[in-house]
Amino acid sequence: ETGVTQTPRHLVMGMTNKKSLKCEQHLGHNAMYWYKQSAKKPLELMFVYSLEERVENNSVPSRFSPECPNSSHLFLHLHTLQPEDSALYLCASSQDRPGQGHSGANVLTFGAGSRLTVL
Amino acid sequence: DAKTTQPPSMDCAEGRAANLPCNHSTISGNEYVYWYRQIHSQGPQYIIHGLKNNETNEMASLIITEDRKSSTLILPHATLRDTAVYYCIVRVWKQLQGAQKLVFGQGTRLTINP
Repeated sequence: ETGVTQTPRHLVMGMTNKKSLKCEQHLGHNAMYWYKQSAKKPLELMFVYSLEERVENNSVPSRFSPECPNSSHLFLHLHTLQPEDSALYLCASSQDRPGQGHSGANVLTFGAGSRLTVL
Repeated sequence: DAKTTQPPSMDCAEGRAANLPCNHSTISGNEYVYWYRQIHSQGPQYIIHGLKNNETNEMASLIITEDRKSSTLILPHATLRDTAVYYCIVRVWKQLQGAQKLVFGQGTRLTINP
């Protein structure tokens, strides 16, 4: 248990379904992230939230919709996905403060991931 | 963004020191070197980071060359549980209200053999 909890751990959905992935962090962090890891590919950063405001969207298709209602929770809403969207979706959090980028202190804590299969 | 280069795979005998190299020849003066590892089908785990000086913690040691163009992660007494993909990352700092962006490469798949 890392302090970042992701549910569900496994999800199978059809292309017309709507589902959501949930992430909760118990570390008091103020930044949260979604990463995607496809088979045999590096992790890809999808979204970054800092102080509950989205600050990064790496050209992710609109069928992925993030939501950050507070600093402890992060959702990824999924609709009309494609089979190539099947992947491990990882949530992470960190404690970040403006202007602290040039210190080395801010590390990411990852959850165990949600394994998504789109049929 | 500074790019890192790592060997795709390495083997090490259990109980021996595992030395994982990383090249980052275009690193700039205020970029840190981070190491994470990912055990199969789990989320990545932070190991260690450094700027110029060598660093050691309970998991590993990080040796950074004087010119900072390369580094080595050392697991002093590797166990079977250290089998994982190890990522060397140069921190891309972006002023996004303090949030950071870590770019992961392919990493090195380290296999610890009994």
